[in-house]
Amino acid sequence: KQEVTQIPAALSVPEGENLVLNCSFTDSAIYNLQWFRQDPGKGLTSLLLIQSSQREQTSGRLNASLDKSSGRSTLYIAASQPGDSATYLCAASYNNNDMRFGAGTRLTVKP
Amino acid sequence: DAGVIQSPRHEVTEMGQEVTLRCKPISGHDYLFWYRQTMMRGLELLIYFNNNVPIDDSGMPEDRFSAKMPNASFSTLKIQPSEPRDSAVYFCASSWGPETQYFGPGTRLLVL
Repeated sequence: KQEVTQIPAALSVPEGENLVLNCSFTDSAIYNLQWFRQDPGKGLTSLLLIQSSQREQTSGRLNASLDKSSGRSTLYIAASQPGDSATYLCAASYNNNDMRFGAGTRLTVKP
Repeated sequence: DAGVIQSPRHEVTEMGQEVTLRCKPISGHDYLFWYRQTMMRGLELLIYFNNNVPIDDSGMPEDRFSAKMPNASFSTLKIQPSEPRDSAVYFCASSWGPETQYFGPGTRLLVL
């Protein structure tokens, strides 16, 4: 069964701290892995997409890594800001478009 | 582009009524996805289309749910008859090939 797990479910950090969100997937035969951000009452915004052949992707203060062999991905957020507060979801794609989502990590960055 | 457009944004209906959710994908995208999000089950893929053709509907919970995509710029998700357990946020997303999916703002459905 293809499952995606995110730990922790919630995380609270002071502003300025660097942090890592974790994502694990049971089936390593992924096509790609995406990290999304969801604000309360809003849709999902794609942050980073890592193809199965890639090891990491970077966008601004965000860096996502992928280790297929261990079934893990991490999202690193540098110098966190209160505006980063949101729920972050990872999603593993199988067979091109069969996307399995984790339950998300709810991040709170305190001023 | 305005992004993925969904309507209505909120829907409150009574059990047994028919509900129709609408989606306009980003122009030029060839894939369209319908998802459902609940607290208990998280985000689940219901069905997706490629070039207006349904490819995988294995996530559709039961026969009360149906989806159509009559053309490249419009899709509907219909629930008939609706039940309280269908209450959720329904998202539509589109993409160009198997790449980044762009999500709409969602439709919050409450079935009383």
